[in-house]
Order: sequence, then C-alpha cells, then structure tokens
Amino acid sequence: EADIYQTPRYLVIGTGKKITLECSQTMGHDKMYWYQQDPGMELHLIHYSYGVNSTEKGDLSSESTVSRIRTEHFPLTLESARPSHTSQYLCASSEGSGSPEAFFGQGTRLTVV
Amino acid sequence: KQEVTQIPAALSVPEGENLVLNCSFTDSAIYNLQWFRQDPGKGLTSLLLIQSSQREQTSGRLNASLDKSSGRSTLYIAASQPGDSATYLCAVNSGYSTLTFGKGTMLLVSP
Repeated sequence: EADIYQTPRYLVIGTGKKITLECSQTMGHDKMYWYQQDPGMELHLIHYSYGVNSTEKGDLSSESTVSRIRTEHFPLTLESARPSHTSQYLCASSEGSGSPEAFFGQGTRLTVV
Repeated sequence: KQEVTQIPAALSVPEGENLVLNCSFTDSAIYNLQWFRQDPGKGLTSLLLIQSSQREQTSGRLNASLDKSSGRSTLYIAASQPGDSATYLCAVNSGYSTLTFGKGTMLLVSP
C-alpha cells in the first residue's frame, strides 16, 4: 500500500503570494517526482529527484522550485503565484533501482486568484 | 520523444459488460508500462505494472497486455461495475523512471 502524502489538498491563494506544496513518503523511496495536470489533460513531469541533494527539471517548463534535503520529503515552492499556476500538482515516488512501480499522492489542487 | 495515445477518450457501458481500453506509444524502447485509475479530483491509484520483458499482468477482474514491438498495451476489464467508473491512465517509463502519460480514457459504467 502506498504511503505518500500531500498537503494541502486544496489551496486558494492570491496573486503574488509565496506557497509551498508539501509531499512526504514513508516508504524509503529514493526517487520522487512532481507532475502537473490541467483539467482534462495528461500529466506532465515538472521536477524529479533521485535522492538527497539531487533535483532535476522535467519535460514541462515550470517556474516552481524543489528541494530534497531529506529522503522522505520533497516540497515544491512557487515564489510568486500567478493565475497561470492554477492546476493540480501530483507527487509520486518509486524505489531507486530496477524498473520500479510509481506511487502517487492524492494531489494538491491549486487555484490562484 | 515518447508520445502516448489512449483510445477511446471516453466510454460508456452498461454494468456487466467486458471492455477493452487501448494505449499506444511511439518509442518501443521502454522499461515498463503502468496503468492507473484516477477518480475525479483525486490522485492516481496504480492498477497494474508490466515490465518490458512481460506480456501481461492480471489483478482480479483486470488484465493488462503489452506488445512492446508494436507499441501497444490493452487493459481488459471483465464484468464491469459502476464502481469501475473513473479515468484510466496509461504511462510509459522510457528511462530514468520518469513517466510519459496518455490523456486517459474516461469510463462510465451505468447500473
């Protein structure tokens, strides 16, 4: 059973605010990911990490940043939120070796007004 | 660049029907393929993972097949139930464990 948690589940915030979306997993997975999903559209990878102090940008350009200071924690930060950042953000994790199965959190639905 | 296509985009069936969802991908050099279920406003639930060396995987009423050479996978759902109503997503791992997703098939099973 997947144990990966995202907070908050829903967030409505004003333009220009700084926000951090939290993602934590208790499975000891080395690899973690952030995907962005607009309504009715496919998921796009925006950030990923292969371990502590490792972060990479994904296929979809994003103004967000991430950090990986602890194995279990992979927060995503927007320094200045804009309406174009309105979307659903999904965090995932997988084991570090082989061709692992990915497990997803419940997502954070962000609305910037 | 890997591209994943899912057909049909939407499907509506009466309860009890067997159904097939299709997924195709452009680059056959994959490590694995994963089928997910997504309920409205929720995250993704992993249904089946097929490694590139495998031909199919089964879990309960679900069966997923993989034909890597032709770039295709199918998800077969037997004896569909209203609780199966959701969006089904196909995702391909082409390396580095990052996934490329299709847009999904929205399934509605009516009682």
